[in-house]
Amino acid sequence: NAGVTQTPKFQVLKTGQSMTLQCAQDMNHNSMYWYRQDPGMGLRLIYYSASEGTTDKGEVPNGYNVSRLNKREFSLRLESAAPSQTSVYFCASSDSGFFNYGYTFGSGTRLTVV
Amino acid sequence: DAKTTQPPSMDCAEGRAANLPCNHSTISGNEYVYWYRQIHSQGPQYIIHGLKNNETNEMASLIITEDRKSSTLILPHATLRDTAVYYCIARSNFGNEKLTFGTGTRLTIIP
Repeated sequence: NAGVTQTPKFQVLKTGQSMTLQCAQDMNHNSMYWYRQDPGMGLRLIYYSASEGTTDKGEVPNGYNVSRLNKREFSLRLESAAPSQTSVYFCASSDSGFFNYGYTFGSGTRLTVV
Repeated sequence: DAKTTQPPSMDCAEGRAANLPCNHSTISGNEYVYWYRQIHSQGPQYIIHGLKNNETNEMASLIITEDRKSSTLILPHATLRDTAVYYCIARSNFGNEKLTFGTGTRLTIIP
């Protein structure tokens, strides 16, 4: 049981390049999330998907787009990368039912934009 | 979600109990207290959560005051692998409330 899998683990982009961060979960969770974490700071929510077919903005959505491809997969796209998007990106999933025991996080994608 | 307040850092001797405090004086009646930890830039890991009763699992114990305005996470026998940033989060389990992370408490276990 892999949990939440993120690819790639590391990436270096040049300013203006685009890329897609992939996330997949195998726990049959309804909800999925993308967070970013800058050095010395807590995680900030970029986008989330409460269920298959829906997506909503979080705290810091500018410069990003997302796609909930199916129940398992939730991707994050940077259309034109900027140095300010250098960060560690975490994907998470949760069961949105009442007895929600919290989020399961992936191991992160470390992105550097030069 | 209610705002939580945690000390920025704490030390604890290896083998001793680590007691991490959290204040959440504006917590509402339907908000649970969740604890997560993040070890060395890995993804955050769920530890425990509770509403008003004390809770215990294989990782930790959670003590919530009767007025629910504060709580304490207890790691009973801290090891070096417990060195991490610990986040206390107040969150409702209704609907699809998102987890909002603060800066947490950096716990260092001293050999």
